[in-house]
Amino acid sequence: DAKTTQPPSMDCAEGRAANLPCNHSTISGNEYVYWYRQIHSQGPQYIIHGLKNNETNEMASLIITEDRKSSTLILPHATLRDTAVYYCIVLGGQNFVFGPGTRLSVLP
Amino acid sequence: EAQVTQNPRYLITVTGKKLTVTCSQNMNHEYMSWYRQDPGLGLRQIYYSMNVEVTDKGDVPEGYKVSRKEKRNFPLILESPSPNQTSLYFCASRPTGDYEQYFGPGTRLTVT
Repeated sequence: DAKTTQPPSMDCAEGRAANLPCNHSTISGNEYVYWYRQIHSQGPQYIIHGLKNNETNEMASLIITEDRKSSTLILPHATLRDTAVYYCIVLGGQNFVFGPGTRLSVLP
Repeated sequence: EAQVTQNPRYLITVTGKKLTVTCSQNMNHEYMSWYRQDPGLGLRQIYYSMNVEVTDKGDVPEGYKVSRKEKRNFPLILESPSPNQTSLYFCASRPTGDYEQYFGPGTRLTVT
């Protein structure tokens, strides 16, 4: 599975969009991009995933560049409850590999 | 309610005393797995199971055993716990062909 690189931390003002970047320059054609988040020490929570097209669900949007070497998770209107560690994972096989993620702090 | 449950949620034990952490899911998922989470090391997979009676090692299997006799249950067994197994443990499940994993609430284990 391809390795991902994320900034260790980011801040976002409450009510604004949070844009979380992820680099996955070695991604191969059949590998999906997944995003999970972990609030404090709770179990990680699935957010969204995509292959090459942009995706949107009730939680977030996922924008994948045309060359698929990077992606951005967008939380359109961040709230204090979105404060968490966000993990970007590239998956081609069966098993997820969680990196250190990005610690997002939503500030009032 | 669809969920993954783990028991116990908190456990303090002593070196060498065998213990089992249970994991159960009510979603009829084929795939189940165990992770441990340590500060600075992120989530690391211990074992996984693709279906009943099918288990395989993850990245950090040493010191752990698992079994999958029924689809809903996937217990994690520490035959002789050691202090380096002090960690936060998560069980997860998902259906085959779908990669949205559902995680349990975690078990915080301390081995003294």
